[in-house]
Parts: sequence; structure tokens; C-alpha cells
Amino acid sequence: KQEVTQIPAALSVPEGENLVLNCSFTDSAIYNLQWFRQDPGKGLTSLLLIQSSQREQTSGRLNASLDKSSGRSTLYIAASQPGDSATYLCAVSRSDKLIFGTGTRLQVFP
Amino acid sequence: NAGVMQNPRHLVRRRGQEARLRCSPMKGHSHVYWYRQLPEEGLKFMVYLQKENIIDESGMPKERFSAEFPKEGPSILRIQQVVRGDSAAYFCASSPPRTSGGETQYFGPGTRLLVL
Repeated sequence: KQEVTQIPAALSVPEGENLVLNCSFTDSAIYNLQWFRQDPGKGLTSLLLIQSSQREQTSGRLNASLDKSSGRSTLYIAASQPGDSATYLCAVSRSDKLIFGTGTRLQVFP
Repeated sequence: NAGVMQNPRHLVRRRGQEARLRCSPMKGHSHVYWYRQLPEEGLKFMVYLQKENIIDESGMPKERFSAEFPKEGPSILRIQQVVRGDSAAYFCASSPPRTSGGETQYFGPGTRLLVL
């Protein structure tokens, strides 16, 4: 059974810091891995999708890496801003469904 | 191109009533997924549908819950005889026809169900 774990559960940092969020999964047979952002009371916004054959994806200040053999992914946020404050979720896909981690709650203060 | 639309955004029901949650996928998307987020928990898969077909309902509770995606109109998640434990945020996602590598799922804003 696939299990997805995210650490840390919560993170509070001053503006400008570079951050690393971690995601680990127990079954390496995945199609892809996605990182999402969820704002309080809102839906999910897809940030990056990494196919199983890829090792990383970049979008603006975000960079996500995937090491399928070790069951790990990291989301790197450069030069964090208060607007980055949200919960970040990773999810793996093997068949039709996404299996989510419990998220990292990020707060960036000015 | 409008995103995934869900309505209502908030729904209040008393125990024993029925709840109907609607989801309109993005234009061109033929695959719909429903997920549930219980308070202080992660999102859990419930069901995956294509037009007129349930493909995977392994995450659906065995009783009181049903889902459909008719040929015309939105996908419906129906909860009969709601109980307080059904209070949660219900999210719908859609994706275009699948390729071998899997497609991004685009999420709607969710319906927050409160059972009194």
C-alpha cells in the first residue's frame, strides 16, 4: 500500500530564505508526482508535475526533484515571500488516483 | 477556458438529509475524480469516473455514497442520510484523456459540507 509522508509538518521562516520541503513515498512504481499548493478554505493549485522518467521540473522560483528509486521528492522554494504562505501537498499517481501526503504548512513572515 | 467548477461552495445539512454535490470539469476533460478532505486530515481519493462509467470507486464508503457522470451535465456526488462524520471538504478534479505518463489533475474550489 502506497504511503506518502511529508516533513516538516509546519515551517515558519522569515522572508527571503530558501526552503526545502520533503516528500517520501513507499512504493516506487509511480506514474508521476505532483506538488500542489492549498490556501486556507480554497482548492488546490498544481505547481509542478514530474513524470516518473524525469528527475526535476522548474517553474519560476520553484524547483522539484524526483528520486524514484529512493522514494523521495523535494520542493525547493527560492527567495521565499509572504505570498508563498500556504499548505504544500505532494501526491503520487500510480493508476487513476492521486495519493496525497498530509502536507507542509508554510508561513513566511515579513 | 473556465476551470473546474463546483457547486455549491458551502452546503449545510441536518442529519438524515441528502447532500448533492456537483462538478463541471474543464472544457475538453472527460475524466473526473472526487476526493474528500476530513478536518485536519489529508485528501483521500473516493472515485474516478468517465462519461457514463465508474472506473474506480475503491475509495467510496460502501453505503450512502454514490457518484455519476452522465453523458450530459455535471458529475454528481450524492450522499444519502448524512451523518456528522460526513462533514468535510469535497474536491472534484478533472483531466484530459490519459497518456501513458499520466496527466495533471486540475482541482475545483471544493464544496464544504457541514452536517448539523
